Amino acid sequence: QAQLVQSGPEVKKPGASVKVSCKASGYTFSHYGITWVRQAPGQGLEWMGWISTYNGNTHYAQKFQGRVTMTTDTPTSTVYVELRSLTSDDTAVYYCARVVAAGTDAFDIWGQGTVVTVSS
Amino acid sequence: DIQMTQSPSSLSASVGDRVTITCRPSQSISRYLNWYQQKPGKAPKLLISAASSLQSGVPSRFSGSGSGTEFTLTISSLHPEDFATYYCQQSYGMPRTFGQGTKVEIK
Repeated sequence: QAQLVQSGPEVKKPGASVKVSCKASGYTFSHYGITWVRQAPGQGLEWMGWISTYNGNTHYAQKFQGRVTMTTDTPTSTVYVELRSLTSDDTAVYYCARVVAAGTDAFDIWGQGTVVTVSS
Repeated sequence: DIQMTQSPSSLSASVGDRVTITCRPSQSISRYLNWYQQKPGKAPKLLISAASSLQSGVPSRFSGSGSGTEFTLTISSLHPEDFATYYCQQSYGMPRTFGQGTKVEIK
């Protein structure tokens, strides 16, 4: 069955960078885009951006422009998100999700989440 | 950005109750509205896409309706496993945005 498996928890110091991976399996990787959503402790869901696994096109939320990079590696069916210049406000669970291609653009399959903690 | 406003922010209900959650975008989004359920410590789960299309495997007690600037998620008869937080999300424009969530708690 289709699934997304993310990399493990990360602890980073302020000013550092973090790179989280999301490995897809059980479906044709290049047929579905991947989006990243994060959730700070006790807070709601925040959309970070989207990447096409077909051609690598990206669209980032303006809040993260210049600080985030999403990439895709087709041979390994893996998508990455890198966030730089971390602050304590970036402490959150980071989720990847598959984007349904049939016009609704809903997020139908989610990874298990990666906890990123930013602390000095 | 399209702002998504959910109401109520939280509610207390009993097993068997009918529950309705409303989502109002700041502009018309046609039917590009999706609903998710999230339980503590878990990833969100897609319940309904395109305002009213129930995802495979989601119980029929869940339903969605609406278009334009007002949408509702209804649970016809609350089950114990339905106590969770529900989010609406628009897929009409970039950036994609979520409502602030509605926490459904046990009365």
